Amino acid sequence: QQPVQSPQAVILREGEDAVINCSSSKALYSVHWYRQKHGEAPVFLMILLKGGEQKGHEKISASFNEKKQQSSLYLTASQLSYSGTYFCGTEGWGNEKLTFGTGTRLTIIP
Amino acid sequence: DAGVTQSPTHLIKTRGQQVTLRCSPKSGHDTVSWYQQALGQGPQFIFQYYEEEERQRGNFPDRFSGHQFPNYSSELNVNALLLGDSALYLCASSLEMSGRALHNEQFFGPGTRLTVL
Repeated sequence: QQPVQSPQAVILREGEDAVINCSSSKALYSVHWYRQKHGEAPVFLMILLKGGEQKGHEKISASFNEKKQQSSLYLTASQLSYSGTYFCGTEGWGNEKLTFGTGTRLTIIP
Repeated sequence: DAGVTQSPTHLIKTRGQQVTLRCSPKSGHDTVSWYQQALGQGPQFIFQYYEEEERQRGNFPDRFSGHQFPNYSSELNVNALLLGDSALYLCASSLEMSGRALHNEQFFGPGTRLTVL
């Protein structure tokens, strides 16, 4: 029941946009997004709690379609610092554990 | 304000041995979750502690056990180590609010890299 992320990896030039998708086979209560740089701990980006909710964090935003059990992370005008592996974490109804996705490796080149 | 701290940073053990990993949560946090992250994979939930009790558990055998102390710090114990237990062990803390601690930001520690030979 691990959520599936797509794409698995993407390479962008600085300033380009990216979309990372997260799909689950079970009903979702919340979706969390984290970024992990090589050799470091995951860093929280945002959490989405309600169906259709969209949040933004500077040039990083996300949407959550509760009915489709999907979430997407949008990175606008990517910066070199955006490089890393992005994980979505999903929480189902009635439990308190996060199940992390397969990860998307994002590489930003100058 | 200190974030989440973990010790030790690295650890090398042999098969069959036992290991204890430690975690101090971010100041003000009362909930601690433990994750195992194999190379190239996402973190896998082991268990979560709140009010000194295990509240949720992932699909890990009983060889994995834990404890939370009154000051909210936590330990992860793994007995009878196997080669497959080699991984980065992450501790994450959060604040319990309205019964759903996971609806708040989880702060991860730097992790303990365990190698089993």
